[in-house]
Amino acid sequence: SQKIEQNSEALNIQEGKTATLTCNYTNYSPAYLQWYRQDPGRGPVFLLLIRENEKEKRKERLKVTFDTTLKQSLFHITASQPADSATYLCAIHLHAGKSTFGDGTTLTVKP
Amino acid sequence: DTGVSQNPRHKITKRGQNVTFRCDPISEHNRLYWYRQTLGQGPEFLTYFQNEAQLEKSRLLSDRFSAERPKGSFSTLEIQRTEQGDSAMYLCASTTTEGGPNNEQFFGPGTRLTVL
Repeated sequence: SQKIEQNSEALNIQEGKTATLTCNYTNYSPAYLQWYRQDPGRGPVFLLLIRENEKEKRKERLKVTFDTTLKQSLFHITASQPADSATYLCAIHLHAGKSTFGDGTTLTVKP
Repeated sequence: DTGVSQNPRHKITKRGQNVTFRCDPISEHNRLYWYRQTLGQGPEFLTYFQNEAQLEKSRLLSDRFSAERPKGSFSTLEIQRTEQGDSAMYLCASTTTEGGPNNEQFFGPGTRLTVL
């Protein structure tokens, strides 16, 4: 069956460190994968998209990698700040219509 | 504020009642999505529209759920004969097929439904 798995545990790190979040998928061949941030009681906000023919994408302190052989995407936040504390969701797009989301990883950055 | 609005923000209803939610997408967006999200879970796809046409509907969506987008602008999601298991956050998102390279979805703030 098709499945998307993100870090099963919440992630707690110290301010200034790099946070690394994992998204693994099985039985999908996604055209592209997106990462979203979600704060409590609010809708998700788009962060980055990476296509199947791209290995890495960067935006400011954020970096996403995509390994279609391992069926895995890694999401990195460098020089983390308490304001980065949120739930991070990965979403797989098989075609332009439907998105399938993982259950998210809750990141807490401690000062 | 992403530009996508949803009303109401909160709805409390009794089991068996019908409820209707509204989503106003970003005006130039031709694609509109509905998702359901429960605590600790990611958004679960329900359905999506391209302009006024409903192009896909989740197999998980029972016949009690119906969505419309009559003029290709705002959309409504109706749940008939609500059950306690329908309690969740209902999210709307919009995007444009004419858009830039990111194909990002812009989400509204959601409608939180509580069925007593």
